[in-house]
Amino acid sequence: QQQVKQSPQSLIVQKGGIPIINCAYENTAFDYFPWYQQFPGKGPALLIAIRPDVSEKKEGRFTISFNKSAKQFSLHIMDSQPGDSATYFCAARSQGGSEKLVFGKGTKLTVNP
Amino acid sequence: NAGVTQTPKFRVLKTGQSMTLLCAQDMNHEYMYWYRQDPGMGLRLIHYSVGEGTTAKGEVPDGYNVSRLKKQNFLLGLESAAPSQTSVYFCASRGQGTNYGYTFGSGTRLTVV
Repeated sequence: QQQVKQSPQSLIVQKGGIPIINCAYENTAFDYFPWYQQFPGKGPALLIAIRPDVSEKKEGRFTISFNKSAKQFSLHIMDSQPGDSATYFCAARSQGGSEKLVFGKGTKLTVNP
Repeated sequence: NAGVTQTPKFRVLKTGQSMTLLCAQDMNHEYMYWYRQDPGMGLRLIHYSVGEGTTAKGEVPDGYNVSRLKKQNFLLGLESAAPSQTSVYFCASRGQGTNYGYTFGSGTRLTVV
């Protein structure tokens, strides 16, 4: 049972392009939606996060768009650079005491020079 | 500022052998988690802990045991390793509060032959 569906699996863009990664969820109890960035051989690192009462959040070149009614959220990377090449994971957290995160399957982004 | 440290970084086991993976955090975090990462599968939760002396099952707990005797350490054990447990294992921790992301370790690459 996949609680967070992420697409696409892989994405190739040219430098300066705007890759978009999409995630969808079903569980309305989710209350926190982070994105993680992972470079080869490293652990995932928190990139940006949003709560469902906000429709958009920007941090530098990274933007999350959130559509609560559609239960979808997406990551946009403005002016992408080769250094952004990494695997990106969306995630969602259930309300409650365990603070567990459920992750999407990941998107491997390649930004060509 | 070490954050989350995982040992060992690499290990090769024979089928049926046992081993323990160690996760240590120096941030006084309450919550700790063990995930496994497999190609195309994203991050799947094995076990987690909401505080010293507590553990709970995640999404894929079979074949693993955990212990949290000290707040800063979370151990993952494989009693009888199987080839299906070949994976990269990540430990993560987070503090209490509503806006903290997970801090991940750099992972343990385990191969069971």
